[in-house]
Amino acid sequence: GENVEQHPSTLSVQEGDSAVIKCTYSDSASNYFPWYKQELGKRPQLIIDIRSNVGEKKDQRIAVTLNKTAKHFSLHITETQPEDSAVYFCAEENYGGSQGNLIFGKGTKLSVKP
Amino acid sequence: NAGVTQTPKFRVLKTGQSMTLLCAQDMNHEYMYWYRQDPGMGLRLIHYSVGEGTTAKGEVPDGYNVSRLKKQNFLLGLESAAPSQTSVYFCASGYNEQFFGPGTRLTVL
Repeated sequence: GENVEQHPSTLSVQEGDSAVIKCTYSDSASNYFPWYKQELGKRPQLIIDIRSNVGEKKDQRIAVTLNKTAKHFSLHITETQPEDSAVYFCAEENYGGSQGNLIFGKGTKLSVKP
Repeated sequence: NAGVTQTPKFRVLKTGQSMTLLCAQDMNHEYMYWYRQDPGMGLRLIHYSVGEGTTAKGEVPDGYNVSRLKKQNFLLGLESAAPSQTSVYFCASGYNEQFFGPGTRLTVL
């Protein structure tokens, strides 16, 4: 079945450095790829998403890139700050199953050291 | 707008007991979902609904039942709780972008 692999599982960076999280997916028909941020004890919240008709999308310090040929997409956070510390989940739309459903990666715990 | 709400926030059950988790949304979404979140496992879909009166199985449906009698509500039931169902349960609504509730932390002893 469809699955999403996310790497790394943990990532520690110094404040001000960049962080990159990568995900690979299996369903070539998928065309929607969101990223969620979950702070400790809180609910997941969408921070950025990308559709297959674009290769990159930016929103201030965060950006997502998509390579449909290689079936992978990445989250880039620049100038990291302590408040960026959280667990980040990538996901793909389960196009081959039920559209609208998302398949999530297992998450990346990002720690930003001041 | 309250968004997505869940009750209760915490619950402790004994093995074999039953309970129902309630999810409510005020965004008029057709799609609603129940996930469980376990350490290192990400978010796994239990059941989902594409509209009032419909339900479908997700990735890990065994031991759970759901009902969607009203568009704004999605109920998750555990008929006979087991320790393996100790988890944090999240409800969500929306198509593509999903809005999550605050979660229910369930412990089964």
